[in-house]
Amino acid sequence: AQSVTQLGSHVSVSEGALVLLRCNYSSSVPPYLFWYVQYPNQGLQLLLKYTSAATLVKGINGFEAEFKKSETSFHLTKPSAHMSDAAEYFCAVSDDNNDMRFGAGTRLTVKP
Amino acid sequence: NAGVTQTPKFRILKIGQSMTLQCTQDMNHNYMYWYRQDPGMGLKLIYYSVGAGITDKGEVPNGYNVSRSTTEDFPLRLELAAPSQTSVYFCASSDPHTAETQYFGPGTRLLVL
Repeated sequence: AQSVTQLGSHVSVSEGALVLLRCNYSSSVPPYLFWYVQYPNQGLQLLLKYTSAATLVKGINGFEAEFKKSETSFHLTKPSAHMSDAAEYFCAVSDDNNDMRFGAGTRLTVKP
Repeated sequence: NAGVTQTPKFRILKIGQSMTLQCTQDMNHNYMYWYRQDPGMGLKLIYYSVGAGITDKGEVPNGYNVSRSTTEDFPLRLELAAPSQTSVYFCASSDPHTAETQYFGPGTRLLVL
């Protein structure tokens, strides 16, 4: 079965700094890959998804992620962090059978 | 559209009690899912359904039951609550044509004491 590993349960950046959240996947078939964001006491909101089209995927709120098959990675980046980006971020992988597996999550803290 | 709605928002149960977590979506999605979220563990799929009358087990189905009598509703039943079922439960839905994209409800926080 497919799986994802998120490196770093907690990432802290200063406002205006680069955000880099790491995700590596394992899948025996071409995967669908996702990043979700969860704000406190809320459900998950889709940031972006990769579905075998362009390898660089742009999402909402200035986030983007690049699919690198050779590295089995799908890292999430944002050039300049805002205070409002503070949240928990989940990477997920899915196959054609709707079997979606989530990573353990990375909590992003943004310091003023 | 309200999207995916869940009730209740929060509930405390005693060990051995039963309850039903409600989930409704108004997007006419055929696919619906139940997940639980435990701290540091991400989300785990409990059950899913690809249409009315069809349900299937996910990764962690033990202790739960579901039914899908309509497209809109996908209730999750806990028959004998246990402390291990203390968690946050999320319902999600997706359209079969873009099934890889799931839309989530706000969650139900359950505490079993």
